[in-house]
Amino acid sequence: DAGVTQSPTHLIKTRGQHVTLRCSPISGHKSVSWYQQVLGQGPQFIFQYYEKEERGRGNFPDRFSARQFPNYSSELNVNALLLGDSALYLCASSWGMINEQFFGPGTRLTVL
Amino acid sequence: AQTVTQSQPEMSVQEAETVTLSCTYDTSESDYYLFWYKQPPSRQMILVIRQEAYKQQNATENRFSVNFQKAAKSFSLKISDSQLGDAAMYFCACVKTSYDKVIFGPGTSLSVIP
Repeated sequence: DAGVTQSPTHLIKTRGQHVTLRCSPISGHKSVSWYQQVLGQGPQFIFQYYEKEERGRGNFPDRFSARQFPNYSSELNVNALLLGDSALYLCASSWGMINEQFFGPGTRLTVL
Repeated sequence: AQTVTQSQPEMSVQEAETVTLSCTYDTSESDYYLFWYKQPPSRQMILVIRQEAYKQQNATENRFSVNFQKAAKSFSLKISDSQLGDAAMYFCACVKTSYDKVIFGPGTSLSVIP
């Protein structure tokens, strides 16, 4: 079975632009969570979606938004990019809300 | 607010030896889960072990075991018979059972010396 997949692998944007990151969970998993990992730090929770509804939100500005589709895949959108948004964005899926989370390889976002 | 602290930014261990990684957390919840995740240089985060706070028995997964001290809010990871493949960043994490957010610690970089 395929693991969690994320696209794109790498992305370079300039300040003020918009970006969309995509995540496909493991088949059968209904929960998707997004994390931001700045180099040298632990992941910071951004969002969790379960059954297409937002179930948790971290301390991120409204420039960050996400959604989950009927097939349980998810998108993370970031508007008005700042230099500080440069990070590895991780997606994790799980069967339920507190089951083991399986992480994807991440999307490396660089904002110039 | 929940916080997770890992006081050892870097650790090293000789191959086949045992190493313990420290983690302390702060939560006002009475029921929660604790996790140790491993992130090798290839970046893919992998769950190593999990502990439910209501369980007194320490979790064990093969060479990995935890020392869970609920009153002290301490959750250390012991790796026995260390292998070269254990070299990675290790993150301690905490989530309350009603599920709000998973809080990760800053990580400990483990090196394994041949």
